[in-house]
Amino acid sequence: KQEVTQIPAALSVPEGENLVLNCSFTDSAIYNLQWFRQDPGKGLTSLLLIQSSQREQTSGRLNASLDKSSGRSTLYIAASQPGDSATYLCAALGGYQKVTFGTGTKLQVIP
Amino acid sequence: DGGITQSPKYLFRKEGQNVTLSCEQNLNHDAMYWYRQDPGQGLRLIYYSQIVNDFQKGDIAEGYSVSREKKESFPLTVTSAQKNPTAFYLCASSIGTSGGETQYFGPGTRLLVL
Repeated sequence: KQEVTQIPAALSVPEGENLVLNCSFTDSAIYNLQWFRQDPGKGLTSLLLIQSSQREQTSGRLNASLDKSSGRSTLYIAASQPGDSATYLCAALGGYQKVTFGTGTKLQVIP
Repeated sequence: DGGITQSPKYLFRKEGQNVTLSCEQNLNHDAMYWYRQDPGQGLRLIYYSQIVNDFQKGDIAEGYSVSREKKESFPLTVTSAQKNPTAFYLCASSIGTSGGETQYFGPGTRLLVL
């Protein structure tokens, strides 16, 4: 059974710092890996989807990488801002019944 | 605007009562999903539907039921058999080609037990 782990569970950084969030998964037989942002009491907002054939995806200040062989993905946030404060979730997409979410990293960016 | 709507935002259930959560999408997606989110746990799949008039159980389907009579709608009923229904419920959809496509989420419904 797929297991997805996100470390650390919480992270606090000063504004302007570059940071990396980690996501690891146990089963490399996935279609894609997706990163989300969740604000308190809200739904999930899709940030990036990395296809299994890709190694990287970029959107603005965000860059996500995927290494299927090692079961790892990272989300890099450049020049962090207070508005980036949220919980970041990754999900391994292995098919309709094989979507496994991590428990998230709660990020706080301090002004 | 295209997207997914869920209603109500908050729902209160009395013991022994069935309640229904609404999920509507205008993205023309074939696949729709229901997830449950509890504090400290990842999202868990309750039911999914790849196409109209078809749906499958996820990991935690006991005590829940769904229907998919229209492409746009995928309501979830929390039955009295679900003994611990307090949670945040999230509906999602995707294009539905393989199950590995981008998932788009609604704003969620928080269910509380009176």
